[in-house]
Amino acid sequence: EIVLTQSPATLSLSPGERATLSCRASQSVSSYLAWYQQKPGQAPRLLIYGASNRATGIPARFSGSGSGTDFTLTISSLEPEDFALYYCQQRSNWPRITFGQGTRLEIK
Amino acid sequence: QVQLVESGGGVVQPGRSLRLSCAASGFTFSTYGMHWVRQAPGRGLEWVAVVSNDGNDKHYADSVKGRFTISRDNSKNTLYVQMNSLRADDTAVYYCAKDQKRGAADYYFDYWGQGTLVTVSS
Repeated sequence: EIVLTQSPATLSLSPGERATLSCRASQSVSSYLAWYQQKPGQAPRLLIYGASNRATGIPARFSGSGSGTDFTLTISSLEPEDFALYYCQQRSNWPRITFGQGTRLEIK
Repeated sequence: QVQLVESGGGVVQPGRSLRLSCAASGFTFSTYGMHWVRQAPGRGLEWVAVVSNDGNDKHYADSVKGRFTISRDNSKNTLYVQMNSLRADDTAVYYCAKDQKRGAADYYFDYWGQGTLVTVSS
């Protein structure tokens, strides 16, 4: 099983600041990585797929980068609605799909 | 717009069965693979199962293999999961999720339902 480790567990920032979230895979997943946002009581929302492709309707302030084992989700300037939980997910060795444990982005 | 509405959750005793449904609308259901993903209370996400667009190809997480069966009825635009031999660690919110890619699944989930809670407890 490919283990995805997200860091930090919690990130405390202020609106307008830049957020950098990390996801590290236990073995290479090439570019087969996605990022999701989840708010309390809601289903996850796809933000990024294929490591760097924004999903439909996702604002340009969200960007993804990386390949192999190290990936980053960057939010260029935080809006109040961006404070949420973020998960990475790999599909490299489907159907053994795995998610990271999540990073909580909270308001400082 | 795409809508996925799960139903069928509830409280069930260990060892019993439950069937969840997911009614889909707003897209051509028969052309997309569909998934179940679950989330235990206060925990992260766990992929459960996938069914191909035509219903012929199915895959499962090791944790549910042999106990859960995913299926679909394209004439009714509905996805199902039959859950047998339920255990306490199956307690979770179960989401149905649409695959992003038309045709063969690519295991990215672009639309999700609101989820239905399954609680396995005596």
